[in-house]
Amino acid sequence: KQEVTQIPAALSVPEGENLVLNCSFTDSAIYNLQWFRQDPGKGLTSLLLIQSSQREQTSGRLNASLDKSSGRSTLYIAASQPGDSATYLCAVSTDSWGKFQFGAGTQVVVTP
Amino acid sequence: GAGVSQTPSNKVTEKGKYVELRCDPISGHTALYWYRQSLGQGPEFLIYFQGTGAADDSGLPNDRFFAVRPEGSVSTLKIQRTERGDSAVYLCASSLGSRAEQFFGPGTRLTVL
Repeated sequence: KQEVTQIPAALSVPEGENLVLNCSFTDSAIYNLQWFRQDPGKGLTSLLLIQSSQREQTSGRLNASLDKSSGRSTLYIAASQPGDSATYLCAVSTDSWGKFQFGAGTQVVVTP
Repeated sequence: GAGVSQTPSNKVTEKGKYVELRCDPISGHTALYWYRQSLGQGPEFLIYFQGTGAADDSGLPNDRFFAVRPEGSVSTLKIQRTERGDSAVYLCASSLGSRAEQFFGPGTRLTVL
């Protein structure tokens, strides 16, 4: 069974510093991986989707890499801002239906 | 365009009661997923619809849970004889296809007293 781990569970950085968020998974036979952010009491906002054939995806200050062989994905957020404070979740799909297995998330606080 | 919407946003019910949670996916999205999220955890998969049919219901915890999508658009998650352990946030997501980007609704917070 696929297991998804996100370490650390919480992270605090000063504004302007780059954020590095980690996601590891046990089964490398994935179809895709998606990163989300979740604000308190809200639903999930999609950040980036990486298909299994891709090595990375970029959107603005966000860059996500995927290394299937080592079972890892990393989300980089450049020049962090207080508005980046949220919980970041990664989700992995290992079947053709696209159902996700989620990590527990990394709670990020960016201090002014 | 409009995103995924879910109603109600909050539902408080008593143990043993029946509840229905509704999901309106993004127009044109054929794939629809239900997840459940407990405090401090990532969402857990419940059921997946492709069109009108439930292609994968392996995440439904027991036969008190049932979901429908009769016209391939709106979906309803139904919970019979609710238990306190059913309390959670129920999230709905839709996508253009089974491997496409998933977009989530704001969720329904269910509290069973």
